[in-house]
Amino acid sequence: EIVLTQSPGTLSLSPGERATLSCRASQSIIRYYLAWYQQKPGQAPRLLFYGASSRATGIPDRFSGSGSGTDFTLTISRLEPEDFAVYYCQQYGSSPWTFGQGTKVEIK
Amino acid sequence: EVQLVESGGGLVQPGGSLRVSCAASGFTFNSYWMSWVRQAPGKGLEWVASIKQDESEKYYVDSVKGRFAISRDNAKNTLHLQMNSLRAEDTAVYYCARPVWGPETRGAFVYWGQGALVTVSS
Repeated sequence: EIVLTQSPGTLSLSPGERATLSCRASQSIIRYYLAWYQQKPGQAPRLLFYGASSRATGIPDRFSGSGSGTDFTLTISRLEPEDFAVYYCQQYGSSPWTFGQGTKVEIK
Repeated sequence: EVQLVESGGGLVQPGGSLRVSCAASGFTFNSYWMSWVRQAPGKGLEWVASIKQDESEKYYVDSVKGRFAISRDNAKNTLHLQMNSLRAEDTAVYYCARPVWGPETRGAFVYWGQGALVTVSS
């Protein structure tokens, strides 16, 4: 099983600041099969990226996804008030598909 | 508009059974893998099970193998998860999820239902 470790656990930032979220895999992820999700309280997750860097429909370009192998990054260039949420990475290259434990982006 | 609507959640005693279902609309259901993902209260996301379009392939997380069964009815555009021998640790919101279109994106979930709460408690 591929274990995904997200860091930091919590990121305290102000609107307008840059957020950099890390997702590290215990073994190499096949063919960039890495997704990022945003989840707000009481809501279902929202897909941001798949294939590590393919932006899902409707996702603003202040969000970017990058990485390969075992190290992946989600970057939010300038935080908007609606971006404060929990973010999860997920690998779907090897069964069982697994999620990271999440990074909470909170208002400083 | 794509819609996924779960039903069948509720309170069940340990060792009991429950079936949650997901009614799909707004897309060609039999063209997509479908999956269940759960989230325990206050916890993160956990993939539970996935099923191929024609039911020829099914996959489960180890913790539910032999207890849960995923199935689908393509004629009724419905996904099911039969849960047996339920444990307290199965308590969670169960989401039905549909992936992005494409042969290599079956695990990237772009559409989610609102979730069905399953509580296992005596």
